[in-house]
Amino acid sequence: ETGVTQTPRHLVMGMTNKKSLKCEQHLGHNAMYWYKQSAKKPLELMFVYSLEERVENNSVPSRFSPECPNSSHLFLHLHTLQPEDSALYLCASSQGKDYEQYFGPGTRLTVT
Amino acid sequence: TQLLEQSPQFLSIQEGENLTVYCNSSSVFSSLQWYRQEPGEGPVLLVTVVTGGEVKKLKRLTFQFGDARKDSSLHITAAQPGDTGLYLCAGRTDSWGKLQFGAGTQVVVTP
Repeated sequence: ETGVTQTPRHLVMGMTNKKSLKCEQHLGHNAMYWYKQSAKKPLELMFVYSLEERVENNSVPSRFSPECPNSSHLFLHLHTLQPEDSALYLCASSQGKDYEQYFGPGTRLTVT
Repeated sequence: TQLLEQSPQFLSIQEGENLTVYCNSSSVFSSLQWYRQEPGEGPVLLVTVVTGGEVKKLKRLTFQFGDARKDSSLHITAAQPGDTGLYLCAGRTDSWGKLQFGAGTQVVVTP
Protein backbone atom coordinates (compact mmCIF):
# COMPACT_ATOMS: atom_id res chain seq x y z
CA GLU A 1 0.00 0.00 0.00
CA THR A 2 1.50 3.37 -1.00
CA GLY A 3 -0.70 5.73 0.95
CA VAL A 4 2.27 7.87 1.99
CA THR A 5 3.83 10.18 -0.57
CA GLN A 6 7.00 12.23 -0.30
CA THR A 7 8.34 15.07 -2.42
CA PRO A 8 10.82 15.67 -3.79
CA ARG A 9 12.21 12.17 -4.38
CA HIS A 10 15.72 13.53 -4.89
CA LEU A 11 17.30 16.74 -3.64
CA VAL A 12 20.78 18.16 -4.00
CA MET A 13 21.52 21.22 -1.94
CA GLY A 14 24.47 23.31 -0.88
CA MET A 15 25.33 23.86 2.75
CA THR A 16 23.94 27.39 2.70
CA ASN A 17 20.61 26.54 1.10
CA LYS A 18 17.19 26.31 2.70
CA LYS A 19 14.87 23.61 1.47
CA SER A 20 11.85 21.67 2.69
CA LEU A 21 10.78 18.04 2.41
CA LYS A 22 7.09 17.27 2.22
CA CYS A 23 5.16 14.20 3.29
CA GLU A 24 1.47 13.51 2.83
CA GLN A 25 -0.49 10.51 4.06
CA HIS A 26 -3.83 9.41 2.63
CA LEU A 27 -4.55 6.69 5.18
CA GLY A 28 -6.49 8.62 7.79
CA HIS A 29 -3.70 8.12 10.32
CA ASN A 30 -3.04 10.49 13.19
CA ALA A 31 0.66 9.91 13.87
CA MET A 32 3.52 10.82 11.54
CA TYR A 33 7.26 10.25 11.74
CA TRP A 34 10.53 11.40 10.19
CA TYR A 35 13.38 8.90 9.97
CA LYS A 36 16.92 9.21 8.64
CA GLN A 37 18.44 6.22 6.85
CA SER A 38 22.19 6.17 6.24
CA ALA A 39 24.05 3.36 4.53
CA LYS A 40 24.48 0.24 6.68
CA LYS A 41 23.02 1.93 9.75
CA PRO A 42 19.66 1.37 11.42
CA LEU A 43 16.87 3.80 10.70
CA GLU A 44 17.14 6.71 13.09
CA LEU A 45 13.92 8.17 14.42
CA MET A 46 14.07 11.96 14.22
CA PHE A 47 10.62 13.29 15.08
CA VAL A 48 7.17 11.99 15.93
CA TYR A 49 3.93 13.89 15.73
CA SER A 50 0.73 12.55 17.24
CA LEU A 51 -2.46 14.48 16.60
CA GLU A 52 -0.31 17.32 15.25
CA GLU A 53 1.65 17.62 18.49
CA ARG A 54 5.35 16.79 18.54
CA VAL A 55 5.82 13.95 21.01
CA GLU A 56 9.39 12.91 20.26
CA ASN A 57 12.54 14.75 19.31
CA ASN A 58 15.58 12.52 19.34
CA SER A 59 18.26 15.17 19.93
CA VAL A 60 18.17 16.19 16.30
CA PRO A 61 20.31 19.24 15.38
CA SER A 62 18.38 22.47 15.08
CA ARG A 63 19.25 22.69 11.38
CA PHE A 64 16.35 20.23 10.99
CA SER A 65 12.98 21.79 11.79
CA PRO A 66 9.74 19.78 11.51
CA GLU A 67 6.27 21.14 10.95
CA CYS A 68 2.94 19.32 11.10
CA PRO A 69 0.12 21.68 10.07
CA ASN A 70 -2.51 18.91 10.13
CA SER A 71 -2.73 15.15 10.55
CA SER A 72 -2.18 14.50 6.83
CA HIS A 73 0.86 16.65 6.18
CA LEU A 74 4.36 16.72 7.58
CA PHE A 75 7.29 18.90 6.57
CA LEU A 76 10.99 18.84 7.35
CA HIS A 77 12.64 22.23 6.90
CA LEU A 78 16.36 22.10 6.19
CA HIS A 79 18.84 24.92 6.80
CA THR A 80 22.64 25.07 6.65
CA LEU A 81 23.07 21.33 6.46
CA GLN A 82 26.37 19.46 6.58
CA PRO A 83 27.64 16.82 4.11
CA GLU A 84 27.11 14.15 6.76
CA ASP A 85 23.38 14.93 6.61
CA SER A 86 23.26 13.29 3.18
CA ALA A 87 20.93 10.31 3.54
CA LEU A 88 17.52 8.92 2.67
CA TYR A 89 14.84 10.71 4.67
CA LEU A 90 11.76 8.60 5.23
CA CYS A 91 8.34 9.65 6.37
CA ALA A 92 5.93 7.20 7.97
CA SER A 93 2.45 7.30 9.42
CA SER A 94 0.41 5.11 11.73
CA GLN A 95 -3.06 4.97 13.19
CA GLY A 96 -1.58 5.72 16.58
CA LYS A 97 1.83 5.54 18.21
CA ASP A 98 1.46 1.84 19.03
CA TYR A 99 0.19 0.81 15.60
CA GLU A 100 2.00 -0.39 12.50
CA GLN A 101 3.91 2.23 10.58
CA TYR A 102 3.60 2.70 6.83
CA PHE A 103 6.47 4.35 5.01
CA GLY A 104 6.73 6.68 2.07
CA PRO A 105 9.33 6.18 -0.69
CA GLY A 106 11.77 8.62 0.86
CA THR A 107 13.72 11.67 -0.29
CA ARG A 108 17.32 11.02 -1.27
CA LEU A 109 19.17 14.10 0.02
CA THR A 110 22.69 15.01 -1.03
CA VAL A 111 24.42 17.94 0.64
CA THR A 112 27.35 19.34 -1.31
CA THR B 1 23.99 1.40 20.96
CA GLN B 2 22.23 -0.82 18.45
CA LEU B 3 19.53 -2.79 20.22
CA LEU B 4 18.78 -5.09 17.30
CA GLU B 5 21.50 -7.10 15.58
CA GLN B 6 20.70 -8.56 12.19
CA SER B 7 22.71 -11.32 10.59
CA PRO B 8 24.10 -11.87 8.13
CA GLN B 9 24.63 -8.37 6.80
CA PHE B 10 24.66 -9.63 3.22
CA LEU B 11 23.44 -12.83 1.60
CA SER B 12 23.69 -13.84 -2.03
CA ILE B 13 21.99 -17.02 -3.21
CA GLN B 14 20.77 -18.72 -6.36
CA GLU B 15 17.12 -18.89 -7.31
CA GLY B 16 15.45 -21.90 -5.72
CA GLU B 17 17.66 -22.01 -2.63
CA ASN B 18 16.43 -21.44 0.91
CA LEU B 19 17.70 -18.75 3.26
CA THR B 20 17.29 -17.62 6.83
CA VAL B 21 18.03 -14.21 8.31
CA TYR B 22 18.17 -13.45 12.00
CA CYS B 23 17.28 -10.59 14.28
CA ASN B 24 18.64 -10.70 17.84
CA SER B 25 18.49 -8.47 20.87
CA SER B 26 19.08 -8.49 24.59
CA SER B 27 15.87 -6.49 25.01
CA VAL B 28 12.34 -7.83 25.24
CA PHE B 29 9.94 -6.48 22.67
CA SER B 30 6.17 -6.27 22.88
CA SER B 31 6.04 -6.91 19.15
CA LEU B 32 8.40 -7.22 16.23
CA GLN B 33 7.95 -6.29 12.62
CA TRP B 34 9.70 -7.33 9.43
CA TYR B 35 10.00 -5.00 6.45
CA ARG B 36 11.46 -5.38 2.95
CA GLN B 37 12.99 -2.36 1.28
CA GLU B 38 13.87 -2.18 -2.41
CA PRO B 39 16.35 0.33 -3.85
CA GLY B 40 14.95 3.83 -4.02
CA GLU B 41 11.86 2.93 -2.03
CA GLY B 42 10.70 3.00 1.56
CA PRO B 43 10.35 -0.12 3.72
CA VAL B 44 7.20 -2.17 3.13
CA LEU B 45 5.71 -3.98 6.11
CA LEU B 46 5.66 -7.78 5.70
CA VAL B 47 4.45 -9.04 9.06
CA THR B 48 4.02 -8.25 12.73
CA VAL B 49 4.60 -10.92 15.40
CA VAL B 50 3.37 -10.38 18.91
CA THR B 51 3.31 -13.60 20.93
CA GLY B 52 6.45 -15.44 22.08
CA GLY B 53 6.94 -18.56 19.95
CA GLU B 54 4.57 -17.29 17.28
CA VAL B 55 5.07 -18.49 13.72
CA LYS B 56 3.51 -16.69 10.76
CA LYS B 57 3.64 -17.70 7.13
CA LEU B 58 3.32 -15.42 4.16
CA LYS B 59 3.49 -17.60 1.02
CA ARG B 60 7.15 -18.73 0.91
CA LEU B 61 8.16 -16.59 3.89
CA THR B 62 8.06 -17.96 7.44
CA PHE B 63 8.52 -15.64 10.39
CA GLN B 64 9.19 -16.78 13.94
CA PHE B 65 9.26 -14.79 17.16
CA GLY B 66 11.44 -16.22 19.91
CA ASP B 67 9.85 -17.61 23.05
CA ALA B 68 11.38 -14.83 25.14
CA ARG B 69 10.39 -12.17 22.57
CA LYS B 70 14.05 -11.12 22.17
CA ASP B 71 14.77 -12.55 18.74
CA SER B 72 13.17 -13.43 15.45
CA SER B 73 13.96 -15.18 12.21
CA LEU B 74 12.78 -14.97 8.64
CA HIS B 75 13.04 -18.05 6.44
CA ILE B 76 12.46 -17.92 2.70
CA THR B 77 11.82 -21.16 0.84
CA ALA B 78 12.74 -21.52 -2.82
CA ALA B 79 13.89 -17.93 -3.15
CA GLN B 80 13.07 -15.99 -6.29
CA PRO B 81 14.72 -12.89 -7.81
CA GLY B 82 11.71 -10.88 -6.63
CA ASP B 83 12.75 -11.61 -3.05
CA THR B 84 15.82 -9.43 -3.53
CA GLY B 85 15.88 -6.53 -1.11
CA LEU B 86 16.95 -5.19 2.25
CA TYR B 87 15.16 -7.02 5.05
CA LEU B 88 14.70 -4.96 8.19
CA CYS B 89 13.46 -6.04 11.58
CA ALA B 90 12.03 -3.54 14.03
CA GLY B 91 11.12 -4.18 17.64
CA ARG B 92 8.64 -2.22 19.64
CA THR B 93 9.57 -1.53 23.26
CA ASP B 94 7.02 -1.18 25.99
CA SER B 95 8.09 2.30 27.07
CA TRP B 96 5.97 4.27 24.68
CA GLY B 97 5.83 2.07 21.63
CA LYS B 98 8.89 3.39 19.79
CA LEU B 99 10.25 1.17 17.02
CA GLN B 100 13.92 0.14 17.18
CA PHE B 101 15.31 -0.91 13.81
CA GLY B 102 18.14 -3.26 12.93
CA ALA B 103 20.64 -2.31 10.23
CA GLY B 104 19.16 -4.88 7.85
CA THR B 105 20.20 -7.90 5.82
CA GLN B 106 20.76 -7.31 2.12
CA VAL B 107 19.49 -10.34 0.19
CA VAL B 108 20.35 -10.88 -3.47
CA VAL B 109 18.71 -13.73 -5.36
CA THR B 110 20.21 -14.39 -8.79
CA PRO B 111 18.43 -16.30 -11.55
